[in-house]
Amino acid sequence: SQQGEEDPQALSIQEGENATMNCSYKTSINNLQWYRQNSGRGLVHLILIRSNEREKHSGRLRVTLDTSKKSSSLLITASRAADTASYFCATGSSGGSNYKLTFGKGTLLTVNP
Amino acid sequence: EADIYQTPRYLVIGTGKKITLECSQTMGHDKMYWYQQDPGMELHLIHYSYGVNSTEKGDLSSESTVSRIRTEHFPLTLESARPSHTSQYLCASSDRGTRGETQYFGPGTRLLVL
Repeated sequence: SQQGEEDPQALSIQEGENATMNCSYKTSINNLQWYRQNSGRGLVHLILIRSNEREKHSGRLRVTLDTSKKSSSLLITASRAADTASYFCATGSSGGSNYKLTFGKGTLLTVNP
Repeated sequence: EADIYQTPRYLVIGTGKKITLECSQTMGHDKMYWYQQDPGMELHLIHYSYGVNSTEKGDLSSESTVSRIRTEHFPLTLESARPSHTSQYLCASSDRGTRGETQYFGPGTRLLVL
C-alpha cells in the first residue's frame, strides 16, 4: 500500500503567493523527505526532517512534521515561476540499515508569472 | 549538483531487443537504487544494492536484472524488451553516513519500446 500520499494532486498559484503541500503516511518512520522533480528529469532532494523534529526551515522552504497525525507539510513562500515542478514526499523506514524510501504520487505545482 | 550519470537519456527500440541502461556515480556511495516512474506518477523501487556483489529486488516486480561489480556502476538490463516496459527509469545513490537517507538522483532514461 502507498506510504506517502500528497495533497493536493495539483496546485496552481500566482508568482509571489505561498504554496502549501501536504503529505500523509501510514507506518512509523525514521525520517520524511521532500524532493522536487522538474518535468522529465531526476529528483532533487530539498529537505529532510527526522521523526523527533517538528519543524525545519531551508531558505524559502518550511517543513512541518506531526507524527501523531502521520502527516507533513511543505510550505514554499514567495513562490517564483522557477518553482514550477512536481514535489514528492518520501518516507524513510525505521531501524537498521534499511535506507529504502517510499515515495508518494506527488503534487504538481504550477506558478504562473 | 549530484555526480550521478545515466545513459542513454532517451531510447527507442523494438520489441524483443536486449537493452542495458547505464548508471554511474562518482561519490563513492555504497547504496544504489533503480526506480521506475510512469508520467505523472509515483516512483516505484525495482532494484537496490547495498554494496558490491549485493543486489535485491524492490517493491515493484520487474523483469529487469541488475549487477553491482563495481561500487560506482549499477547497470540495469532487460533481456527482451516489451511495450509494457515503456517508462522512465531513474537511478539513485546514497552513502552510509548520517545523511545516508538522502538519495541523489540521475537525470533518468526515458525508454520507449515499440
